[in-house]
Amino acid sequence: NAGVTQTPKFQVLKTGQSMTLQCAQDMNHNSMYWYRQDPGMGLRLIYYSASEGTTDKGEVPNGYNVSRLNKREFSLRLESAAPSQTSVYFCASSEGGNYNEQFFGPGTRLTVL
Amino acid sequence: GQQVMQIPQYQHVQEGEDFTTYCNSSTTLSNIQWYKQRPGGHPVFLIQLVKSGEVKKQKRLTFQFGEAKKNSSLHITATQTTDVGTYFCDSNDYKLSFGAGTTVTVRA
Repeated sequence: NAGVTQTPKFQVLKTGQSMTLQCAQDMNHNSMYWYRQDPGMGLRLIYYSASEGTTDKGEVPNGYNVSRLNKREFSLRLESAAPSQTSVYFCASSEGGNYNEQFFGPGTRLTVL
Repeated sequence: GQQVMQIPQYQHVQEGEDFTTYCNSSTTLSNIQWYKQRPGGHPVFLIQLVKSGEVKKQKRLTFQFGEAKKNSSLHITATQTTDVGTYFCDSNDYKLSFGAGTTVTVRA
């Protein structure tokens, strides 16, 4: 089992460009999450999907959109990238319910110039 | 904002010494999870606590959930260089974010 995979690992964008970060899990988990991590700020939740077909905003959703394509895949889209979105992005998944051990992907390091 | 606060934000420890990091909430939690993130890596689940007063041990790591279920602690004994990293607590009562964590550095 690969666990949680993310593509790409690194990306450099110019201001105003768009891109989609891909995430997939092979653990048959119900819930999936997108976080961003900035120095000294911890992990901040952007969006999450409690189950297939549902998505909800987290703490910092502005500038992002998500799609829960199916149970396995949860993508994050930046429509018009801004330098403030330079960050490390982590995708995670969990079974959901009362047991919430989250499994994280390796992360995508995004730089917006 | 964050409803679960961690202290301290930074912990510099002499190798071989003990230290404790704390996770505090203003409201009662149904559960709490602890994660560790090594430098350059991704967070990895350590443990979940559910019961009031629960104590769980993993080798040199001791996790405790407070009696009122409003706080939790992680105590590491005889710190080693392998303990370097950031330790986060989280509760699925708050679908917002992890805290800033406690970043641990070790002096050899």
